[in-house]
Amino acid sequence: TQLLEQSPQFLSIQEGENLTVYCNSSSVFSSLQWYRQEPGEGPVLLVTVVTGGEVKKLKRLTFQFGDARKDSSLHITAAQPGDTGLYLCAGTRTIGSNYKLTFGKGTLLTVNP
Amino acid sequence: NAGVTQTPKFRILKIGQSMTLQCAQDMNHNYMYWYRQDPGMGLKLIYYSVGAGITDKGEVPNGYNVSRSTTEDFPLRLELAAPSQTSVYFCASTGAYEQYFGPGTRLTVT
Repeated sequence: TQLLEQSPQFLSIQEGENLTVYCNSSSVFSSLQWYRQEPGEGPVLLVTVVTGGEVKKLKRLTFQFGDARKDSSLHITAAQPGDTGLYLCAGTRTIGSNYKLTFGKGTLLTVNP
Repeated sequence: NAGVTQTPKFRILKIGQSMTLQCAQDMNHNYMYWYRQDPGMGLKLIYYSVGAGITDKGEVPNGYNVSRSTTEDFPLRLELAAPSQTSVYFCASTGAYEQYFGPGTRLTVT
């Protein structure tokens, strides 16, 4: 059972289009992170959202954390070919004294010029 | 800061061989992790460490071992390589909230 479900798994769009990808869970997380991974490289953190209902903007990217802290969305406005990559969400939980990060499988985005 | 570094970048092993994947970070982070990433499967946690001398199993520890003798280094050991261990391996360390990833090691076992 996947703790974090990301959808869609694949997305191919034209430059200039808008898109939203989703990250859903039945579990509550302390915080949720979004990463972008380009081919041959490690994931790079884009944003961390901590408070239920929180919205963060990073240029053309808008991240939202659900009110119940179980889900999140990433919206990209006017997508560009440079946005192409694997988008991973990851939820953080503190179990005992340990900090655990659980990743979704990712959404592979291709933006065609 | 170099961040998180990993060596080697690529490696091909024969079944039954052993090797150590090296990982080092210069950010003085206590938490360090090893993940494997298979196509379409996201990142799966192999082992993690909350500080020097302390390690614990993640989701998929079988076939691997780790040690953490210093804060900076967190090597991953494969003792008897199997084809199922063909994957891309990422090391990471954690600051306040964020994980910083290394560039990965692409391992093929044939």
